[in-house]
Amino acid sequence: TQLLEQSPQFLSIQEGENLTVYCNSSSVFSSLQWYRQEPGEGPVLLVTVVTGGEVKKLKRLTFQFGDARKDSSLHITAAQPGDTGLYLCAGGSRERRFGAGTRLTVKP
Amino acid sequence: DTGVSQDPRHKITKRGQNVTFRCDPISEHNRLYWYRQTLGQGPEFLTYFQNEAQLEKSRLLSDRFSAERPKGSFSTLEIQRTEQGDSAMYLCASSLRGTGGSTGANVLTFGAGSRLTVL
Repeated sequence: TQLLEQSPQFLSIQEGENLTVYCNSSSVFSSLQWYRQEPGEGPVLLVTVVTGGEVKKLKRLTFQFGDARKDSSLHITAAQPGDTGLYLCAGGSRERRFGAGTRLTVKP
Repeated sequence: DTGVSQDPRHKITKRGQNVTFRCDPISEHNRLYWYRQTLGQGPEFLTYFQNEAQLEKSRLLSDRFSAERPKGSFSTLEIQRTEQGDSAMYLCASSLRGTGGSTGANVLTFGAGSRLTVL
């Protein structure tokens, strides 16, 4: 079983601050995905990273895949209240296993 | 296409009763997944289908749980003799298994989930 560990588990910040959340594993992944989930809804895909060392940007969100393809990070610049949610990383070639997530709260 | 639909959205049942959840995936998607999510946790993989074939089952899926996808389209997840520990959100997702290793392959589109409360 490929386990994905996410940190921190909870993060509460003020609007305008920057933050980074992490997804780590002892296993090598061919790709990792980041999802955001809001209460009462299913997760929604943000990005897929495939190549070791890859950096992808989505507006104020920057995703990086580790060189060894065992870890990934998500950096948010100038967080806004709309960024509040559960951020999940997922990997695995078939069954797509998820980490426990980082619950982010951005206060106005 | 209206996305992935799950029914019912909420189910309250008494311990020992059987419940069934339905998932209608995106029509052209050939893979369908079931996950269980409890409060404060990420989705836990239960099982997945490629077309009508059930290719993988988690050990979390005890003999009280059964999933079917008889015609490779919609799927049902049945829980028999429910227990209070079965209370959770049951999520369905679908994806398109591509060829040639496209990064677009296996992007999961989730439904809104079916929340089960066992009293």
